[in-house]
Amino acid sequence: DQQVKQNSPSLSVQEGRISILNCDYTNSMFDYFLWYKKYPAEGPTFLISISSIKDKNEDGRFTVFLNKSAKHLSLHIVPSQPGDSAVYFCAASGAAGNKLTFGGGTRVLVKP
Amino acid sequence: DAEITQSPRHKITETGRQVTLACHQTWNHNNMFWYRQDLGHGLRLIHYSYGVQDTNKGEVSDGYSVSRSNTEDLPLTLESAASSQTSVYFCASSSFPGLAGSYNEQFFGPGTRLTVL
Repeated sequence: DQQVKQNSPSLSVQEGRISILNCDYTNSMFDYFLWYKKYPAEGPTFLISISSIKDKNEDGRFTVFLNKSAKHLSLHIVPSQPGDSAVYFCAASGAAGNKLTFGGGTRVLVKP
Repeated sequence: DAEITQSPRHKITETGRQVTLACHQTWNHNNMFWYRQDLGHGLRLIHYSYGVQDTNKGEVSDGYSVSRSNTEDLPLTLESAASSQTSVYFCASSSFPGLAGSYNEQFFGPGTRLTVL
């Protein structure tokens, strides 16, 4: 039973527009949520994180929103750039420094 | 610069053979993790370690083992390789909370693509 789900396997967006990636989780013990970005033939790289005590975290073009009551988080990329084309994974953990549970990933294609 | 490396990057082996994938990090991190990535499943945790001599099973640990004899290395062994273990394997490491000022940020290696024929 997947505890972290990304229901959209792919997303296509025009350059300059907003990309919105969604993630749902079932385990109410998760305290930290992270987004990773992955290019082909490379390891995932950390993008942005959010603690369960917050509902929003921003870093440049990337914003993560957390809705604890709905057990839902989303990643907004504004504006989207061709270099953002990659697979994005959301991940959750029960405590800082602890193991992560990943979603299945969403492949984003940003069209010039 | 600190880094995390994996070797080999590509490996082809036969069913039933023992295979060991290496992971080495120079971050001096206490926590190390092994994941496998398969289409539709994202990354799934195989084994993890929170320090020397500590090892724990993840959600897909059957057929795999790890040992942690020092801080820098966490080799992953497939005792008797099976075709179902054909996958891309990622090693990751992280510090204890507070030391890096971030939440659970794990640093990933470049991956090892393993094919079991």
